Amino acid sequence: DTEVTQTPKHLVMGMTNKKSLKCEQHMGHRAMYWYKQKAKKPPELMFVYSYEKLSINESVPSRFSPECPNSSLLNLHLHALQPEDSALYLCASSQDGQLVNEQFFGPGTRLTVL
Amino acid sequence: GQNIDQPTEMTATEGAIVQINCTYQTSGFNGLFWYQQHAGEAPTFLSYNVLDGLEEKGRFSSFLSRSKGYSYLLLKELQMKDSASYLCAAPGAGSYQLTFGKGTKLSVIP
Repeated sequence: DTEVTQTPKHLVMGMTNKKSLKCEQHMGHRAMYWYKQKAKKPPELMFVYSYEKLSINESVPSRFSPECPNSSLLNLHLHALQPEDSALYLCASSQDGQLVNEQFFGPGTRLTVL
Repeated sequence: GQNIDQPTEMTATEGAIVQINCTYQTSGFNGLFWYQQHAGEAPTFLSYNVLDGLEEKGRFSSFLSRSKGYSYLLLKELQMKDSASYLCAAPGAGSYQLTFGKGTKLSVIP
């Protein structure tokens, strides 16, 4: 299995809602990532989990809360988002977060905040 | 992080060859990646160069010159499905995390 899966594919939420994005990989990778991508822009790194521990938080607002329940799963909990948070949220994984290696991306969740 | 520069847009004809350039800062170099991203989809890995020279993979090749801080992606026998954004990415100095360039949007026309 060489896939990273993400659910849901699309999400529309209000500014007072609480929702979660889910990501899963079964490649035995020990590093997982959340990226945010706005239209016509490159992906921007948000969080990195390495061996199930949060190793990088790129100054992301607290209304985004990551969680890594185990080495295969990565969640992103959303609360009190703003319309400018509307974007494509990409999950990725790589063999090791402490070495340079290829990242495999999931298909993304298209988030719209009303 | 890295300072990565690549052209914003390119247009090429079906069946032709196109070269997409990327420059990066050379301090703390630790390899360079190319990804392809179709509109609304996730990036997919194309290549990773860590040594100088050309690496060929079917219709796609990637070149690296570490001394010049320069890479290019070469696409041969262009097909309509090659219309996509091509992202150059590299880890920052002292970091293993990727910084992406702004991407080059390639349009293949008949």
